[in-house]
Amino acid sequence: GAVVSQHPSRVICKSGTSVKIECRSLDFQATTMFWYRQFPKQSLMLMATSNEGSKATYEQGVEKDKFLINHASLTLSTLTVTSAHPEDSSFYICSATGMGRNVAQHFGDGTRLSIL
Amino acid sequence: DAKTTQPNSMESNEEEPVHLPCNHSTISGTDYIHWYRQLPSQGPEYVIHGLTSNVNNRMASLAIAEDRKSSTLILHRATLRDAAVYYCILRDVRGNTPLVFGKGTRLSVIA
Repeated sequence: GAVVSQHPSRVICKSGTSVKIECRSLDFQATTMFWYRQFPKQSLMLMATSNEGSKATYEQGVEKDKFLINHASLTLSTLTVTSAHPEDSSFYICSATGMGRNVAQHFGDGTRLSIL
Repeated sequence: DAKTTQPNSMESNEEEPVHLPCNHSTISGTDYIHWYRQLPSQGPEYVIHGLTSNVNNRMASLAIAEDRKSSTLILHRATLRDAAVYYCILRDVRGNTPLVFGKGTRLSVIA
């Protein structure tokens, strides 16, 4: 079946560091990728929608200058958390869909980000 | 997206069937019913989806009420590996919109 690979799976870094998370679709072309964030004991919250070759659309309350999203190819999207602070510590999850309507959304295994 | 309502938690004995309910009284005619589950420290995993008719796959069955205002995910024989949070999500068939997650049902399986 379709697979979405997310890397790294875990990051621990100091406050002020910028962190890049990669999301790859391994066996299909992902025209759209989504980025979610999940705090402990809570559900997934959509951060942004990214279409290949165009600017990402951010959900209300998500700072676009803080969370930089690049979707330069049909198989790769990246999320960069710039100047990360402890409140950015969370579980970040990407998902990808192919072309067409109502296609399945495939999820990566998430990246646990811990900012000290 | 129309809203869904699920119990916060459920418990099942191992090797017993599990019926996870979901209410979606404001469902529209173009909404598919999707079920995903999330195991601890992992991303969500697709389980099953349907529009009007009941659906079966290797993981589960989906029973959809005739008026489509509710549905039930059926795990025929729960295993310890089925312990997860199960999300019932409505998604419009007309567009490639993102899944919007509610709180889901946390299923515990007792050995």
